[in-house]
Amino acid sequence: DTGVSQDPRHKITKRGQNVTFRCDPISEHNRLYWYRQTLGQGPEFLTYFQNEAQLEKSRLLSDRFSAERPKGSFSTLEIQRTEQGDSAMYLCASSSGLAGGLEQFFGPGTRLTVL
Amino acid sequence: AQSVTQLGSHVSVSEGALVLLRCNYSSSVPPYLFWYVQYPNQGLQLLLKYTTGATLVKGINGFEAEFKKSETSFHLTKPSAHMSDAAEYFCAVWGDGGSQGNLIFGKGTKLSVKP
Repeated sequence: DTGVSQDPRHKITKRGQNVTFRCDPISEHNRLYWYRQTLGQGPEFLTYFQNEAQLEKSRLLSDRFSAERPKGSFSTLEIQRTEQGDSAMYLCASSSGLAGGLEQFFGPGTRLTVL
Repeated sequence: AQSVTQLGSHVSVSEGALVLLRCNYSSSVPPYLFWYVQYPNQGLQLLLKYTTGATLVKGINGFEAEFKKSETSFHLTKPSAHMSDAAEYFCAVWGDGGSQGNLIFGKGTKLSVKP
């Protein structure tokens, strides 16, 4: 079991560009979560998948953000027309369906810097 | 709506001293509570969780936390700090109100351990 992996670990982009991040959850975990963490803050929930279905989206997830999990395995998070305010650490987590999926396992995150 | 407040954004202790990190929560339903640790440039790792049953919860690395409903608190303690405990600690509560399970985090407390 290799844990949750995220790619890339760091991304620097110019304002207005599109970026895409990938998350590979722990195999056999059917729940996948995306969080955003800005400096000095705790992670904030963005969205949640159970298998391939996106079941919940935060108000933080503006129209410029889209997430997919096409085959119920890996997930992608795309940000279109990036803004400086999008600079943050984007964390992915996964959990099994057992016990309500209470224990979420986090990946190392993708740090996005928008210039 | 649920929320978590962590008192003290920075806590400094000497090696071998007691560690006490404070967390208060607000919840309209019986809460599920968590403590996570984050080392620099890494994702979050679960230290311990409270769901139901015993109010004193033991976690990894010698940490424990006590759920006190009357005080709406879930403070994290460790009898003797080690240099390797230096990290940022996040308290979290399980979302309710129909949420499928996103975590609501506090802003974090950075723990420094002096030799």
